Amino acid sequence: AQKVTQAQTEISVVEKEDVTLDCVYETRDTTYYLFWYKQPPSGELVFLIRRNSFDEQNEISGRYSWNFQKSTSSFNFTITASQVVDSAVYFCALQNNNAGNMLTFGGGTRLMVKP
Amino acid sequence: DGGITQSPKYLFRKEGQNVTLSCEQNLNHDAMYWYRQDPGQGLRLIYYSQIVNDFQKGDIAEGYSVSREKKESFPLTVTSAQKNPTAFYLCASSPLVGGNQPQHFGDGTRLSIL
Repeated sequence: AQKVTQAQTEISVVEKEDVTLDCVYETRDTTYYLFWYKQPPSGELVFLIRRNSFDEQNEISGRYSWNFQKSTSSFNFTITASQVVDSAVYFCALQNNNAGNMLTFGGGTRLMVKP
Repeated sequence: DGGITQSPKYLFRKEGQNVTLSCEQNLNHDAMYWYRQDPGQGLRLIYYSQIVNDFQKGDIAEGYSVSREKKESFPLTVTSAQKNPTAFYLCASSPLVGGNQPQHFGDGTRLSIL
């Protein structure tokens, strides 16, 4: 069975602080994919990143960066110099290679960035 | 613009009533999904469909039904058997070719009990 754990249910920071959202996953598959989605107050989920299990390179996109560590089954997400617009619920999700694109979601982390 | 349209945005259900949530996509995606989101929780899969006229139960299918008569449409019916239907419902779609493509989501429907 697959499982994704986001231990931080809520995080509150002040604007311009850096913040890291943790994601730990469990799977027996050797080939799998990890995703991060952002859910702003409007409700829709916005895709942020996909990473496959064979690519452990960290990725940076503007103020966002992702740290994938297979040894600890973690796929953490860092926002540098946070902004009020980053306030949202962030979901980590896992997909195995044969699941027909189905996702297993973590419980989400609500990030509140205060001015 | 290509995307997923869910309607209505808000829906109220009376006791014993069935209600249907609409989901339409113009992305030409083969697969479509329905998720339920409860406050402070992640998304749980209700039903999914990978091809027209075929669909499978997800983790929490009891009290729900779906149809997939057209590639673009995947309506979800919340039946009177679903005793706790109050939640936020999200529809998603994805291509099946190309390997593990991200799912695209609609804006959601918020269902409440009257």
